[in-house]
Amino acid sequence: DAGITQSPRHKVTETGTPVTLRCHQTENHRYMYWYRQDPGHGLRLIHYSYGVKDTDKGEVSDGYSVSRSKTEDFLLTLESATSSQTSVYFCAISTGRATEQYFGPGTRLTVT
Amino acid sequence: GESVGLHLPTLSVQEGDNSIINCAYSNSASDYFIWYKQESGKGPQFIIDIRSNMDKRQGQRVTVLLNKTVKHLSLQIAATQPGDSAVYFCAESTGNQFYFGTGTSLTVIP
Repeated sequence: DAGITQSPRHKVTETGTPVTLRCHQTENHRYMYWYRQDPGHGLRLIHYSYGVKDTDKGEVSDGYSVSRSKTEDFLLTLESATSSQTSVYFCAISTGRATEQYFGPGTRLTVT
Repeated sequence: GESVGLHLPTLSVQEGDNSIINCAYSNSASDYFIWYKQESGKGPQFIIDIRSNMDKRQGQRVTVLLNKTVKHLSLQIAATQPGDSAVYFCAESTGNQFYFGTGTSLTVIP
């Protein structure tokens, strides 16, 4: 998976609790992305980062926040998890804009 | 081809035959396209990409064709093998963000 790890790989949490997912890369790529994947939908972008401390919103950013304090780490936080956030979350990296993206193995999150 | 419905389009091919998977993209300003393969329980795997200044690009056993006039992308897999069984989807980009199709499920019959 191109030097990308995600943790945890599986998580079950209760509605209203905070959750943080971590993406770690060893490729020193500038861009990092968080997507969610749900049945009936293609991958949808939540947030992305184009450098340390530089982030922007994607098409489904409501209810999510991100942080990137180091090149290699990109954190996704659900401040107060809801059942609609049950999904598989993928992190991706790329060297620049409009270049090939490489994906991590995913995190399956279930909010009960 | 790709669909936004609940059920993935499916394609079944005999081992050794060629496969063609289609994708209709939405934004005429998109200038970069990628095909991905996703196996069950895994992250998407990059297959091949193409920029809008090209009509065709070839890789190992794969070819991507781009028709900008009708906003259509296709992936051709030569001599399909059982290991090619997976979901395939395309992505389009105009810059920092990518938009993904829902995918086509390819089954290779031995």
